Amino acid sequence: AQSVTQLGSHVSVSEGALVLLRCNYSSSVPPYLFWYVQYPNQGLQLLLKYTSAATLVKGINGFEAEFKKSETSFHLTKPSAHMSDAAEYFCAVSPNDYKLSFGAGTTVTVRA
Amino acid sequence: DAGVIQSPRHEVTEMGQEVTLRCKPISGHDYLFWYRQTMMRGLELLIYFNNNVPIDDSGMPEDRFSAKMPNASFSTLKIQPSEPRDSAVYFCASSSGQGEDQETQYFGPGTRLLVL
Repeated sequence: AQSVTQLGSHVSVSEGALVLLRCNYSSSVPPYLFWYVQYPNQGLQLLLKYTSAATLVKGINGFEAEFKKSETSFHLTKPSAHMSDAAEYFCAVSPNDYKLSFGAGTTVTVRA
Repeated sequence: DAGVIQSPRHEVTEMGQEVTLRCKPISGHDYLFWYRQTMMRGLELLIYFNNNVPIDDSGMPEDRFSAKMPNASFSTLKIQPSEPRDSAVYFCASSSGQGEDQETQYFGPGTRLLVL
């Protein structure tokens, strides 16, 4: 069975500072890994996904994530936070069976 | 493409009433998923379809919940009778299941359900 752990339910960063959201997964087979973003009262929007083609994955809005098999991690980063990055972020894993398992989510607030 | 379309966006009903949520997937997508999001349980997969056939409904909470997909462009999630604990945001998602987009799910805006 697969599962996802997101460390930290809330992260507060200053505008222009590094954003780092942590995600660890467990999966019995090589997984697909995803990061989604949810803005208030909206659906989930795909930020990026890992499919084994490259360990460093670049997504939309300047986000990227690095897959580290030895650490079973898929942390999300953005070098410089913008006010528009305030949202909830979800890490998800699928062991190639279309059944996404989501983490509990991390809410990001950006201070001016 | 307009993306995944869900209706209604908001629904307020009284306990015991029947509730029907609707979803139109992205054209050409063969997979359709229904999720429920609550503060307590987060995002949960309820059921998913492939080519209009239900593949896994193990996440459906109880017999009060049912889902259908009569054709490739329409699905419903029905709750009968509804209870206050069903209050949540219900999301529909679809996936092409092909090529580089395999396993990638695209979400609709959700239906916010409140059962009084």
